[in-house]
Amino acid sequence: EVQLVESGGGLVKPGGSLRLSCAASGFNFRNYDMNWVRQAPGKGLEWVSSITNTHIHYADSLKGRFTISRDDAQNSLYLQMNSLRAEDTAVYYCARRPSAIGGFDLWGQGTTVTVSS
Amino acid sequence: QSALTQPRSVSGSPGQSVTISCTGTSSDVDNYDYVSWYRQHPGKAPKLMIYDVTKRPSGVPERFSGSKSGNTASLTISGLQAEDEADYYCCSYRGTYTSIFGGGTRLTVL
Repeated sequence: EVQLVESGGGLVKPGGSLRLSCAASGFNFRNYDMNWVRQAPGKGLEWVSSITNTHIHYADSLKGRFTISRDDAQNSLYLQMNSLRAEDTAVYYCARRPSAIGGFDLWGQGTTVTVSS
Repeated sequence: QSALTQPRSVSGSPGQSVTISCTGTSSDVDNYDYVSWYRQHPGKAPKLMIYDVTKRPSGVPERFSGSKSGNTASLTISGLQAEDEADYYCCSYRGTYTSIFGGGTRLTVL
């Protein structure tokens, strides 16, 4: 089955760190641009970061606090989040994109990150 | 940069057509033919409905169509059905492998 499954979310204190994972299956993972998209409670979607074999990009608002990576041998995508703030509270989705400029054609079910003291 | 501008809500009766607009700038919608649209039911992950302004992925009904004029893209849903009630988001490429979403539109089927 073609799917993405996120994990690693949870409750973390402000200033803390968390590492999200996304396990891909059913398709040739290395051929795709992979992304993280988040959605704060009751809010809209926000693109966070993307990674291809040659490019890594982040939303300007992150200011260097997040690091995206991938392991094509393990069919996995990661997001290391440091210096977490209350406004980082959101559902984080892993999303696949056939090219770096097209639509996100496959989404995971999301993992919830809550930043609170 | 702020999100692309979408109406907060639209509504229509079953069988009718509705159009959702998505307004950007010369840095995104106006400059690239890479606008996509997503439908999101409550508590669920988004689903791709339109990509590259006008293209429908396999399995998406022909009732869904996309267009663009200048800095405004549009999603039209014809023959509204109850299952179409959801939140809809537009997304545009904005250069250097980055993307920007719209604020979202709640579609109510009356």
